[in-house]
Amino acid sequence: GQSLEQPSEVTAVEGAIVQINCTYQTSGFYGLSWYQQHDGGAPTFLSYNALDGLEETGRFSSFLSRSDSYGYLLLQELQMKDSASYFCAVRDQGGGSTLGRLYFGRGTQLTVWP
Amino acid sequence: EAGVTQFPSHSVIEKGQTVTLRCDPISGHDNLYWYRRVMGKEIKFLLHFVKESKQDESGMPNNRFLAERTGGTYSTLKVQPAELEDSGVYFCASSQGRQRGYEQYFGPGTRLTVT
Repeated sequence: GQSLEQPSEVTAVEGAIVQINCTYQTSGFYGLSWYQQHDGGAPTFLSYNALDGLEETGRFSSFLSRSDSYGYLLLQELQMKDSASYFCAVRDQGGGSTLGRLYFGRGTQLTVWP
Repeated sequence: EAGVTQFPSHSVIEKGQTVTLRCDPISGHDNLYWYRRVMGKEIKFLLHFVKESKQDESGMPNNRFLAERTGGTYSTLKVQPAELEDSGVYFCASSQGRQRGYEQYFGPGTRLTVT
């Protein structure tokens, strides 16, 4: 079966840097995504890695190592508003017009303290 | 551009009753997905429409769940009869093309409570 592991909770202070790790075991792999969800809200897309390496988008960066089945989300210059749940998700099906399902981890609750 | 909308936001029903959830994807998005999150667990895939056709329904738990997508626009997910274990948050997502790494846009979810 498919499984994604990520820490359940992480805490940090404002201005700090935090890294949320994700390891996965899936039958296929076409990319690792990260989503943010504030309480009661819609999961919001943050980043996507299909190839090895680091993708940077403002204060957030995401890394992927396909050989290690591992990725991480790096959040810099933390702000109070970054307190949320963060999910890693793997797309296990290939391209064409049939863009496939996502398999999600259980989420990491990030709490940012002043 | 309006996002993915879902209705209702909350639903409380008794075991054995029927509930229908609705999802309106972003206009022009051919791909529509249903997911469910049971409390404390991961968000799990239920099914995937491409336009009006079911592309993948491997995640549907059993035949009490029926999803439709009329004319390739909005989608409904009916649970009949509902059981206690069906409680959770049901998310809908949509996507189109190869933009931004196959990003799926999620709705705010419908919180279903079966008592």
